[in-house]
Amino acid sequence: DAKTTQPTSMDCAEGRAANLPCNHSTISGNEYVYWYRQIHSQGPQYIIHGLKNNETNEMASLIITEDRKSSTLILPHATLRDTAVYYCIVRAFTNAGKSTFGDGTTLTVKP
Amino acid sequence: KAGVTQTPRYLIKTRGQQVTLSCSPISGHRSVSWYQQTPGQGLQFLFEYFSETQRNKGNFPGRFSGRQFSNSRSEMNVSTLELGDSALYLCASSRTGENEQYFGPGTRLTVT
Repeated sequence: DAKTTQPTSMDCAEGRAANLPCNHSTISGNEYVYWYRQIHSQGPQYIIHGLKNNETNEMASLIITEDRKSSTLILPHATLRDTAVYYCIVRAFTNAGKSTFGDGTTLTVKP
Repeated sequence: KAGVTQTPRYLIKTRGQQVTLSCSPISGHRSVSWYQQTPGQGLQFLFEYFSETQRNKGNFPGRFSGRQFSNSRSEMNVSTLELGDSALYLCASSRTGENEQYFGPGTRLTVT
């Protein structure tokens, strides 16, 4: 699975959009980009995934660059409950059971 | 629909002992994966089971083992516990044809 690079930490004001970047310059053609988050000591929670098109669901939007070497997770209106560690992962569809987690980005939403 | 459940939630063991952790996946999910999370090493993949067979394995010593039953429930076993095995052990399940993993709350193991 391709390696990802994320900033160690980010702050965001409550109610504003949180934009979390991820670099995955060695991504392969069959690898998807996944985002998970982990709120203190709980199990990681799936957020969203995409291959090459931008994706949106009720939690977030995922913007993938045209060359697929980087992506951005957007939480449109961050709340205090969005404070968590956010992980960007790349893996093949057929490798669903094995995720390689990096260090993630600690997002702190401030009032 | 019930989520992934793990038992026990907390466990304290002594060095040299062995421990068995249990995971019940979401109904209909046949893949179960195990991860270890420590402050120093982060979230690391242990192994994945699908249809009672180990499909993927991470880079952990043979003291770590697992199995899956016909109802997709899984157990992992750690023998000869070491202090460094203290960690949050997470189980995740996924459905065939879908590639999202759903994680359980984890079992917090403390080795003294």
